[in-house]
Amino acid sequence: DIVMTQSPDSLAVSLGERATINCKSSQSVLYSSNNKNYLAWYQQKPGQPPKLLIYWASTRESGVPDRFSGSGSGTDFTLTISSLQAEDVAVYYCQQYYTTPVTFGQGTRLEIK
Amino acid sequence: QVTLKESGPVLVKPTETLTLTCTVSGFSLSNARMGVSWIRQPPGKALEWLAHISSNDEKSYNTSLKSRLTISKDTSKSQVVLSMTNMDPVDTATYYCARIHSTVTTHLLFDYWGQGTLVTVSS
Repeated sequence: DIVMTQSPDSLAVSLGERATINCKSSQSVLYSSNNKNYLAWYQQKPGQPPKLLIYWASTRESGVPDRFSGSGSGTDFTLTISSLQAEDVAVYYCQQYYTTPVTFGQGTRLEIK
Repeated sequence: QVTLKESGPVLVKPTETLTLTCTVSGFSLSNARMGVSWIRQPPGKALEWLAHISSNDEKSYNTSLKSRLTISKDTSKSQVVLSMTNMDPVDTATYYCARIHSTVTTHLLFDYWGQGTLVTVSS
């Protein structure tokens, strides 16, 4: 199975500041045939299911604010929130969908400083 | 409007079999390339994918739990059913069903999720 490891486990950022969350996969999730990274980011608020934010490592899902962006390739990926808003307080998960079993990172808890 | 809704027991005893139902609306389980997965999340912990069923009835399972899982669907009722045998307290979790992304239908990326149902395993 591909192991997804996120860092940090928790993060406190001031409102309006940048938040950066990292995700590392134990093997590459880049398909050479189409040059796509099979990596997604989800946001989960308390008592709610995960919400898809980013897929193909950098494609925003419809309706997701443009302060959310994804980057990276191969085994190392980053989710960036350019200007933190109060409603961004949540746990964030990365997921690889390169192969089954699909696997998720352990989550990063984002709070307001 | 796409929705998924999980239903089933909130409490099961150790060694019992859990049966959960996911009722979907806003799309058809027979739509080409459409599929539904089950994913669980123990309290305060990370997400774990369990099983998937596709529109053509292909099934896949998490290898670590495969011997305990059965997934099936009833297209006429718009339902996907997951059974898990020999339940243990460590299986206490919120169980979600989720639909694969409408534009990424060849891989298990999820665009719509149910609200989840918390299942507690205790005697």
